[in-house]
Amino acid sequence: QSALTQPASVSGSPGQSITISCTGTSSDIGKYKYVSWYQHHPGKAPKFLIYYVNKRPSGVSDRFSASKSGNTASLTISGLQAEDEADYYCNSYTSDSTWVFGGGTRLTVL
Amino acid sequence: QITLKESGPTLVKPTQTLTLTCTFSGFSLTTEGVGVAWIRQPPGKALEWLALVYWNDDKRYSPSLKSRLTITKDTSKNQVVLTMTNMDPVDTATYYCAHNDYYDTSGSPQDGFDIWGQGTMVTVSS
Repeated sequence: QSALTQPASVSGSPGQSITISCTGTSSDIGKYKYVSWYQHHPGKAPKFLIYYVNKRPSGVSDRFSASKSGNTASLTISGLQAEDEADYYCNSYTSDSTWVFGGGTRLTVL
Repeated sequence: QITLKESGPTLVKPTQTLTLTCTFSGFSLTTEGVGVAWIRQPPGKALEWLALVYWNDDKRYSPSLKSRLTITKDTSKNQVVLTMTNMDPVDTATYYCAHNDYYDTSGSPQDGFDIWGQGTMVTVSS
């Protein structure tokens, strides 16, 4: 099971919007709506941001949104803030009945 | 409030077996739809999903590590244990356990890893 493909890094200025892509296959992202996203500040526990493609858990800012088209999922962060600087990971359920993470994307807020 | 905490050795030697324990509270691993997963992150690298056990003792393993992993649950102690055999320096990582549920609080599909422990760093070195 290969990791989902994410860009290694993205950057944006405060107030701007950025989008992180996550590309899988027809055996994971393309097949299931069980796609989730996580924010990870180094040294802390990852935070659950998005589930079931585009649902936000209670307490997650509506600046975070997500979608899926075909084998690619996307996370958009609008109104960038300094505290958004972190690593972001996508995750998908797979046809092996297992889960796979993306390679992670480092977001830099300029 | 759901919490999870990982415990285990910080240092293991190559070829040894690693045993990690996840002790949790705030939920029951007898509730339909609930599971506990193990996920790791080597230094400077990405998260990697390892294994998950469901309330009904259904167990899932990473295909690439399946031969080395065993996950078990002890519902009376609210614990999930992961064993990994034949440890190698490439297994050096922070190991996390995380709560998983088929459903969100409204009963809609979820299946994400919604609550994580703080992680425990394991170094493999002679």
